[in-house]
Amino acid sequence: AQKVTQAQTEISVVEKEDVTLDCVYETRDTTYYLFWYKQPPSGELVFLIRRNSFDEQNEISGRYSWNFQKSTSSFNFTITASQVVDSAVYFCALSEAGGAQKLVFGQGTRLTINP
Amino acid sequence: NAGVTQTPKFQVLKTGQSMTLQCAQDMNHEYMSWYRQDPGMGLRLIHYSVGAGITDQGEVPNGYNVSRSTTEDFPLRLLSAAPSQTSVYFCASSPVGRVYNEQFFGPGTRLTVL
Repeated sequence: AQKVTQAQTEISVVEKEDVTLDCVYETRDTTYYLFWYKQPPSGELVFLIRRNSFDEQNEISGRYSWNFQKSTSSFNFTITASQVVDSAVYFCALSEAGGAQKLVFGQGTRLTINP
Repeated sequence: NAGVTQTPKFQVLKTGQSMTLQCAQDMNHEYMSWYRQDPGMGLRLIHYSVGAGITDQGEVPNGYNVSRSTTEDFPLRLLSAAPSQTSVYFCASSPVGRVYNEQFFGPGTRLTVL
């Protein structure tokens, strides 16, 4: 069975600090997809990134970066120079390959950026 | 395009009542699904559909029914509401293809069962 663990329930940092959100996953599939979603206080789910299991390149998008390591089954998310607008709940998710695009979510990490 | 729409946004039910949460998308997506979000548990898949007339169960299907008569609509029915079904419900859709496509989520329905 697939499982995603986000061990950090809540993180609180001061603005401009860097922060890393951890994500560890379990799957028996050799082909799978990993995701990060952001849920701001308004409640909607915002797609941030998708990574497939064959692409271990790290990705950087502005202040956001993602570190995918198959050897440790981790897909960590780093925000550099955090801002108050980054305050949200962040979810890591995993999906099998194939037509049924079922997502398995982690428990979420509530990130609070204090001014 | 309106994307994925959900109605109502908020609902309060009494134990034993039934209701239908509506979900519609105007992007001609084959794949649609329902998730529930509970504190400390992330989102969990209730039911999903890969096309009109085809539905299947997810991780937590008990107490919910679905049907998919059109590509656009995927309603979720609570037959006899229970307090354990108090949650935020999200509908999602995506096109089906050889490559995994991003799922588009609706704004959610917050349901309270008293």
